[in-house]
Amino acid sequence: EDKVVQSPLSLVVHEGDTVTLNCSYEVTNFRSLLWYKQEKKAPTFLFMLTSSGIEKKSGRLSSILDKKELFSILNITATQTGDSAIYLCAVERDTSGTYKYIFGTGTRLKVLA
Amino acid sequence: DTEVTQTPKHLVMGMTNKKSLKCEQHMGHRAMYWYKQKAKKPPELMFVYSYEKLSINESVPSRFSPECPNSSLLNLHLHALQPEDSALYLCASSQASGYGYTFGSGTRLTVV
Repeated sequence: EDKVVQSPLSLVVHEGDTVTLNCSYEVTNFRSLLWYKQEKKAPTFLFMLTSSGIEKKSGRLSSILDKKELFSILNITATQTGDSAIYLCAVERDTSGTYKYIFGTGTRLKVLA
Repeated sequence: DTEVTQTPKHLVMGMTNKKSLKCEQHMGHRAMYWYKQKAKKPPELMFVYSYEKLSINESVPSRFSPECPNSSLLNLHLHALQPEDSALYLCASSQASGYGYTFGSGTRLTVV
């Protein structure tokens, strides 16, 4: 059965801290892994990863994928209160020519001022 | 236009009502999705439409009936729902495999 597991489930840090969020997966016919940030409503796209070892960066956020060990990490440096959100990892798999995403349980991040 | 628009934003319905959720995108995306999200849980896939044809139904009860009238529109018809169906219903679209989703802002449904 396909599985996407995120850790930790929740995290409380202070502004300025660096956090690392983990996503491990067991998915057949893997195609890509995505990170989303969800605040009050719809998830917003952060990164898409398809190749191992290539870091994607956007400002204070970065992410990398390891397809051999089947995991990805999302790093946030110099955290701010606006980073407080649920961070979702989703893995795309090929289902007989149709692609679907399987979401992890999410990591709830709270950044204190 | 880079948005997925969902209406209504909020819906309260009785268990005998019939209602519809609507999702619209004008980005030329050919895959559209319905997800259900309960509080503090990740989104769960319900349906996938690819090129206006239903390609995945994740064993969703028949009281949820999707419809894709054209490449820009996706509806979810609701009938005889249960209180446990109360959730945030998210629509998403994607250009193709590996491009990631664009999500709508969701419809928060309450069944009373």
